[in-house]
Amino acid sequence: AAGVIQSPRHLIKEKRETATLKCYPIPRHDTVYWYQQGPGQDPQFLISFYEKMQSDKGSIPDRFSAQQFSDYHSELNMSSLELGDSALYFCASSFGQGDIDTQYFGPGTRLTVL
Amino acid sequence: DAKTTQPPSMDCAEGRAANLPCNHSTISGNEYVYWYRQIHSQGPQYIIHGLKNNETNEMASLIITEDRKSSTLILPHATLRDTAVYYCIVRGRYNFNKFYFGSGTKLNVKP
Repeated sequence: AAGVIQSPRHLIKEKRETATLKCYPIPRHDTVYWYQQGPGQDPQFLISFYEKMQSDKGSIPDRFSAQQFSDYHSELNMSSLELGDSALYFCASSFGQGDIDTQYFGPGTRLTVL
Repeated sequence: DAKTTQPPSMDCAEGRAANLPCNHSTISGNEYVYWYRQIHSQGPQYIIHGLKNNETNEMASLIITEDRKSSTLILPHATLRDTAVYYCIVRGRYNFNKFYFGSGTKLNVKP
């Protein structure tokens, strides 16, 4: 079965640079979620989109922005990168956004900021 | 959103059943209990979810107490590949989208 695709899988950037992470949801899924997992930490919710509209927002820094496109893929844009942004970034997708819409996670993008 | 409490770690012998407890005493009537696991920095993997009744699928069984204040995830025959961090999550009441990941239980399956 098709899964969530994230690209790139690994990314190395310098401080103050910009990074763009991409997420391709499972076919027919219309909701995308982004999570950040720092070293030794648990995943933290950043932001989500339903039908190309932002549907929820967590502890996402103002330096980060995201959008969902007409084909339902999503991009997380990160500017003025800081050392503390080094983390695993997971994207998840679901069909709909009700109580029982299970989220399926991608393999993650490991971002390293030097 | 209901908070969950899980033991930080558990050991289990290979081939035996692993029973992972979770307390969610503040859960409300319309909130579901989800279980995910994360194997060494891979993306969290969905295991099972339930509302009131016990649930079973090809991976595991979920036992929810009658008062819904706690639940147990059961892996019937644990293998070494089941070594992972297991997260018990209660779906947000007013913000249905996001998952709040607690600290989880590190399950160590030993030969």
